Amino acid sequence: AQSVSQHNHHVILSEAASLELGCNYSYGGTVNLFWYVQYPGQHLQLLLKYFSGDPLVKGIKGFEAEFIKSKFSFNLRKPSVQWSDTAEYFCAVNFNNAGNMLTFGGGTRLMVKP
Amino acid sequence: NAGVTQTPKFQVLKTGQSMTLQCAQDMNHEYMSWYRQDPGMGLRLIHYSVGAGITDQGEVPNGYNVSRSTTEDFPLRLLSAAPSQTSVYFCASKKGGTNQPQHFGDGTRLSIL
Repeated sequence: AQSVSQHNHHVILSEAASLELGCNYSYGGTVNLFWYVQYPGQHLQLLLKYFSGDPLVKGIKGFEAEFIKSKFSFNLRKPSVQWSDTAEYFCAVNFNNAGNMLTFGGGTRLMVKP
Repeated sequence: NAGVTQTPKFQVLKTGQSMTLQCAQDMNHEYMSWYRQDPGMGLRLIHYSVGAGITDQGEVPNGYNVSRSTTEDFPLRLLSAAPSQTSVYFCASKKGGTNQPQHFGDGTRLSIL
């Protein structure tokens, strides 16, 4: 079955540290890829998305993600995190054979210590 | 522009009660969906709709009903609440097209005693 995996469930970093959150999916066909962020008590907001073209995509707030097709991965990165990045991050994939449906990973809860 | 509006924000029910979670969007989006969010499991799709009068089941549809009589509204009904349905529920909408992002409501936190 098609699935999305986020292997890091909890990450704790100090401010200014670099961040990389992993996202892998199981599907050999065409995909559309998304990262969403959920700040405490808020709804999910789109960070960035990839559909085609340059596999390195830049999103809001200094985040970027790289699509590596051979590894079925779409990892999220940020060179220097801030306390305000404390949130839960969700990777989501639209598999090409699933219409408009999104499959979400289990989420990664990031805590940034000031 | 209100976006996606969910009501209520919080609700406590007793086992066996029924209720409807409301969702409305003012962006004229064709596609609407309901998710439940549980710790460590991300968001799981309950039901979705690709347009007025059309609904379909997602990953975890049991115990829930939906209808889509208008483009704007997509209510989720719990027929007979069970403790396993304690969760945070999110409604989302999007334009048609697989490369369009979802827009989420603020969520409804539901507890079933």
